[in-house]
Amino acid sequence: DAGVIQSPRHEVTEMGQEVTLRCKPISGHDYLFWYRQTMMRGLELLIYFNNNVPIDDSGMPEDRFSAKMPNASFSTLKIQPSEPRDSAVYFCASSLGLAGGRNIQYFGAGTRLSVL
Amino acid sequence: AQSVTQLGSHVSVSEGALVLLRCNYSSSVPPYLFWYVQYPNQGLQLLLKYTSAATLVKGINGFEAEFKKSETSFHLTKPSAHMSDAAEYFCAVLSGGYNKLIFGAGTRLAVHP
Repeated sequence: DAGVIQSPRHEVTEMGQEVTLRCKPISGHDYLFWYRQTMMRGLELLIYFNNNVPIDDSGMPEDRFSAKMPNASFSTLKIQPSEPRDSAVYFCASSLGLAGGRNIQYFGAGTRLSVL
Repeated sequence: AQSVTQLGSHVSVSEGALVLLRCNYSSSVPPYLFWYVQYPNQGLQLLLKYTSAATLVKGINGFEAEFKKSETSFHLTKPSAHMSDAAEYFCAVLSGGYNKLIFGAGTRLAVHP
């Protein structure tokens, strides 16, 4: 398997613009996670899905952030409008499950977002 | 609530020296503990995982970690550092509902000749 695939790897945009980050999880994984990594706050879970359904979005910072998973092989994280403080590395991860040997999360390479 | 504390944001060792990265956890349920490594400009890669089967866990690249319940610790070690080990290392614990990974702040390991 190719692993978790994220695109784009780098995104530079201007404040106020809409940004869409994309993720393709590992085939057969039922769980998908979106994380944000910053120097100040470290790695934070934003939202996770089970079988394409959002389960917990308590980590989403504001209404400007939204995430969707229209099917088992694709998810998006959208920021509208973007602000400079959204600049961070955004990671997508997927896992088979939550319990036992199924709860290993596999991470994509991340999208580095810079909002000017 | 579950949490992890990594002691030392930066650790520097000589090539061939012992690597010791410290992690202490807090958990109200039997913990699932993980160590991940992040190389520059890459995502996180699993090094090893503790699931209560054995207290000494062996991972990839010669790393291992020992679970000590009495000390609530899960320190990561490697007998002999290699230049390629230079990276950032994250300790993580699964939340009480086993549905979220809670990460520590990370330890950046530098290996010098």
